[in-house]
Amino acid sequence: NAGVTQTPKFQVLKTGQSMTLQCAQDMNHEYMSWYRQDPGMGLRLIHYSVGAGITDQGEVPNGYNVSRSTTEDFPLRLLSAAPSQTSVYFCARFSLPRRSTGELFFGEGSRLTVL
Amino acid sequence: KDQVFQPSTVASSEGAVVEIFCNHSVSNAYNFFWYLHFPGCAPRLLVKGSKPSQQGRYNMTYERFSSSLLILQVREADAAVYYCAGDDCYNTDKLIFGTGTRLQVFP
Repeated sequence: NAGVTQTPKFQVLKTGQSMTLQCAQDMNHEYMSWYRQDPGMGLRLIHYSVGAGITDQGEVPNGYNVSRSTTEDFPLRLLSAAPSQTSVYFCARFSLPRRSTGELFFGEGSRLTVL
Repeated sequence: KDQVFQPSTVASSEGAVVEIFCNHSVSNAYNFFWYLHFPGCAPRLLVKGSKPSQQGRYNMTYERFSSSLLILQVREADAAVYYCAGDDCYNTDKLIFGTGTRLQVFP
């Protein structure tokens, strides 16, 4: 799993419910990110973090919150799920501990369905 | 808006050389990255760089704003989605991905 573990792998929510997608890495790397994958849209960056206590928005941040209290964990929160958030979510880290390299190691994804 | 463009589908016969083209409008991007994604699995990097390069059966061509991924002796097992991406050298924390190319391989 390239040192990136995502849970849960599958989740069904009703509109308006909240949930957190968990992501953990065991490589002590500073950079972590969340992408969503949708047919015809590719991989789009939601939020990313370059270290504990530091987060920033990506291309499609609306409807999602993140925090980075530790280097290991980077949870993605949906406060009020909407059908438009039905997607496959990928967490990723860069290949080097403290530098962006372009080589991302992805988790295996979390498939979320919002009814 | 910074964007990366690639065809939605490419079809090939088994054993052929298949080419997937990519170009971008990211003014500060100098590197291309090609990722392979099988549904249900994690996407993984195939080849990258700011010059032509090769990794096994995967060749990457390079021009300033375009790149092609060439897969030699393509197999049915290569059927997957291939993503092209570029990075912004002024914000290397962000990779900009294309919409993905679904490769179909016919026997």
